Amino acid sequence: GENVEQHPSTLSVQEGDSAVIKCTYSDSASNYFPWYKQELGKRPQLIIDIRSNVGEKKDQRIAVTLNKTAKHFSLHITETQPEDSAVYFCAATTNTDKLIFGTGTRLQVFP
Amino acid sequence: SAVISQKPSRDICQRGTSLTIQCQVDSQVTMMFWYRQQPGQSLTLIATANQGSEATYESGFVIDKFPISRPNLTFSTLTVSNMSPEDSSIYLCSATSGGAEQFFGPGTRLTVL
Repeated sequence: GENVEQHPSTLSVQEGDSAVIKCTYSDSASNYFPWYKQELGKRPQLIIDIRSNVGEKKDQRIAVTLNKTAKHFSLHITETQPEDSAVYFCAATTNTDKLIFGTGTRLQVFP
Repeated sequence: SAVISQKPSRDICQRGTSLTIQCQVDSQVTMMFWYRQQPGQSLTLIATANQGSEATYESGFVIDKFPISRPNLTFSTLTVSNMSPEDSSIYLCSATSGGAEQFFGPGTRLTVL
């Protein structure tokens, strides 16, 4: 079955700097890759996603890149703000819609 | 996006008892799922709740321990049976209407004493 690895497990940045979180997946049939942000005590919130027919997608300060050949995808956050502090999860799925999650990255943005 | 609610939001239960968690979506969805998230950990898929038929369980999860119902396109229940302290966790339901964007309920925080 699908396996998703995520790095780093923790990431600390200064406000205004960029943050990058990387994930690799094992199943070449995976075709949809969402990213979720989870604040303490809250539900995971979908922040951006990418499908296998696209190499990059941007939404304001957030971007995701996908390299299907290498089976990895990354989340890029520019101009980080303290409210970006949270745990971020990558995930992968095939046409079954079953999400397999990475282990999570705790991002801390210091003012 | 669909709005998903869960009941109860939290509960404290005695070992050996069972708890049923309800998940309600405000619109018809094609797929509903149940996940478990242990403190400080990632989300692990328990099962896919199939409308009108038996749920599809992931490796390590069985129907006798986690019976699931989905009587219609907007509602599902997960029961945690014969609970032990190891079942203490957050249980989340999720839903998608196809197109793969998946949204989560607020979770049910379960503590088993």
